[in-house]
Amino acid sequence: QVQLQQSGAELVKPGSSVKISCKASGYTFTSYDMHWIKQQPGNGLEWIGWIYPGNGNTKYNQKFNGKATLTADKSSSTAYMQLSSLTSEDSAVYFCARSRVYYGLLLPFDYWGQGVMVTVSS
Amino acid sequence: DIRMTQSPASLSASLGETVNIECLASEDIYSDLAWYQQKPGKSPQLLIYNANSLQNGVPSRFSGSGSGTQYSLKINSLQSEDVATYFCQQYNNYPLTFGSGTKLEIK
Repeated sequence: QVQLQQSGAELVKPGSSVKISCKASGYTFTSYDMHWIKQQPGNGLEWIGWIYPGNGNTKYNQKFNGKATLTADKSSSTAYMQLSSLTSEDSAVYFCARSRVYYGLLLPFDYWGQGVMVTVSS
Repeated sequence: DIRMTQSPASLSASLGETVNIECLASEDIYSDLAWYQQKPGKSPQLLIYNANSLQNGVPSRFSGSGSGTQYSLKINSLQSEDVATYFCQQYNNYPLTFGSGTKLEIK
């Protein structure tokens, strides 16, 4: 069965960076887009971007350009998101989520990871 | 960016009732609309895609409708396990955007 297993909670200092992971299993990792979504406490959901592990192509929400960097390791079926220059505004739960790929069309997220809480505090 | 306006923000209904949640897009999204259910402390789960297609494994009491800029999610025969926050999401254009959510409680 499809599973997206994310890394554990992070407590990080302002100005630092953090890299969180999302290990995929139960499907062909290189054939689906992997998206990242931000959810702040009590707030809604914000799409950060996607990576296609098959060739490393990425697409970002302009709002997160320079903040988030998406990578993927095909050998371990793991997607990563690095967040840099962290501030309190980056404190949130971050989800990875999969979508099918179909001739360049955008498609919904059919499987989600459990989420990673990132807390930025001195 | 396409703005997704979801209403109501919260909703309280009795077991067995039918509830409707609305989502209004700021421009035509050509039915590229999904609904997700998020239970407390959990990740969202896909319920409906393409505005009206039921995701595998989702109970048939959930249904979606709409076109253009106006969409709705209907839950028939409300069950206790339906307590959750529901989000709409458009995937017609970048950046992908979500509604602000509807928190559903049992009266």
